[in-house]
Amino acid sequence: AQSVTQPDIHITVSEGASLELRCNYSYGATPYLFWYVQSPGQGLQLLLKYFSGDTLVQGIKGFEAEFKRSQSSFNLRKPSVHWSDAAEYFCAVGNQRASNLFFGTGTRLTVIP
Amino acid sequence: EPEVTQTPSHQVTQMGQEVILRCVPISNHLYFYWYRQILGQKVEFLVSFYNNEISEKSEIFDDQFSVERPDGSNFTLKIRSTKLEDSAMYFCASSVDRPRGNFGPGTRLTVT
Repeated sequence: AQSVTQPDIHITVSEGASLELRCNYSYGATPYLFWYVQSPGQGLQLLLKYFSGDTLVQGIKGFEAEFKRSQSSFNLRKPSVHWSDAAEYFCAVGNQRASNLFFGTGTRLTVIP
Repeated sequence: EPEVTQTPSHQVTQMGQEVILRCVPISNHLYFYWYRQILGQKVEFLVSFYNNEISEKSEIFDDQFSVERPDGSNFTLKIRSTKLEDSAMYFCASSVDRPRGNFGPGTRLTVT
């Protein structure tokens, strides 16, 4: 069965500190992986995606993620967090054949001065 | 950059009423989707639409739900007889090819 696990419900980091948000997936086919960000009351904005090729993908707003097949993980990272990064982050998985994406439960990021 | 748009941003309705949520996908996209997010829960897939028909749907998408692309630009989700548990944020998404999706800002549906 397809599933996405984001083990951290809430993370608090200081502005300027590094960030890593964890995502593990269970998927029967070759996965397509995504990270979305949702600010309060807003929609879902795509940060980055992985389909194939280089396992380290760069996204918008200085985010990157690394696909590790052996660990079934796709963790999101940012070297230096800004206060504006405070939001909810969702990892999602799909594949080339299926239309739908499966989302994790999200990680809420709080940034403190 | 083109965006998916949704109207209204917030809809309040009484239980048992019909609601129609509207979406304008990105113009050259071919795949259209509806997702929902109940407050505090994960985003869940409802339905995908391609070539004027439903291509996939989830267990949530029962007979109370329907989708339509009434013209070349709009994509609608209808809930025939709303229930309290239909209260959620509904997201429309579109894509050139599956499974990636550009999501709209959402419509918050409140059923009272």
